[in-house]
Amino acid sequence: GAGVSQTPSNKVTEKGKYVELRCDPISGHTALYWYRQSLGQGPEFLIYFQGTGAADDSGLPNDRFFAVRPEGSVSTLKIQRTERGDSAVYLCASSLAGVDSPLHFGNGTRLTVT
Amino acid sequence: AQKVTQAQTEISVVEKEDVTLDCVYETRDTTYYLFWYKQPPSGELVFLIRRNSFDEQNEISGRYSWNFQKSTSSFNFTITASQVVDSAVYFCALSEARNTDKLIFGTGTRLQVFP
Repeated sequence: GAGVSQTPSNKVTEKGKYVELRCDPISGHTALYWYRQSLGQGPEFLIYFQGTGAADDSGLPNDRFFAVRPEGSVSTLKIQRTERGDSAVYLCASSLAGVDSPLHFGNGTRLTVT
Repeated sequence: AQKVTQAQTEISVVEKEDVTLDCVYETRDTTYYLFWYKQPPSGELVFLIRRNSFDEQNEISGRYSWNFQKSTSSFNFTITASQVVDSAVYFCALSEARNTDKLIFGTGTRLQVFP
């Protein structure tokens, strides 16, 4: 079946602009995660959804970052007033029931802020 | 505080060699989970294994094996008879029982297998 799909695969934006990154999880997966991976680093946790609600958003770096999952399936990560330091690969993952089930990751969206 | 250390930044081997990737973790929890993920050039992280802190039995899956030692807080990964397709970045990760939804990743080890 289809895996986790992330769009766009690449996004270049100017400093100060607003961006939205989309994640389509595997059908039936109730848990959804966003991670951020900077060059040469491991992924860093941003936020975790169980169903429609954000169960843990402790990894969001500041209030410029926001994520939604209104119908418990597709999720959108929103970044306002982008800064050059936001440049990274944003990874989405989903699982059947939280970390007790393996996380399935998408290929990520590479965000470049110029 | 929780932390995962992968001291080997990059390893190069020739095909058919065995290679061990090191992982050392820190946690104050007595219940936790350890993971290994593979990230090929395509970028997608692929789950390899999950181990809980109460199960120290070593595991073998084909050419892959894992050695979990609580006494040294290590969870090392060995690939036997490496192949070119094993070339990737490998990440070790930790989650704690009180916060199982959050994986803490190491910085990864880039493995290059040459023919």
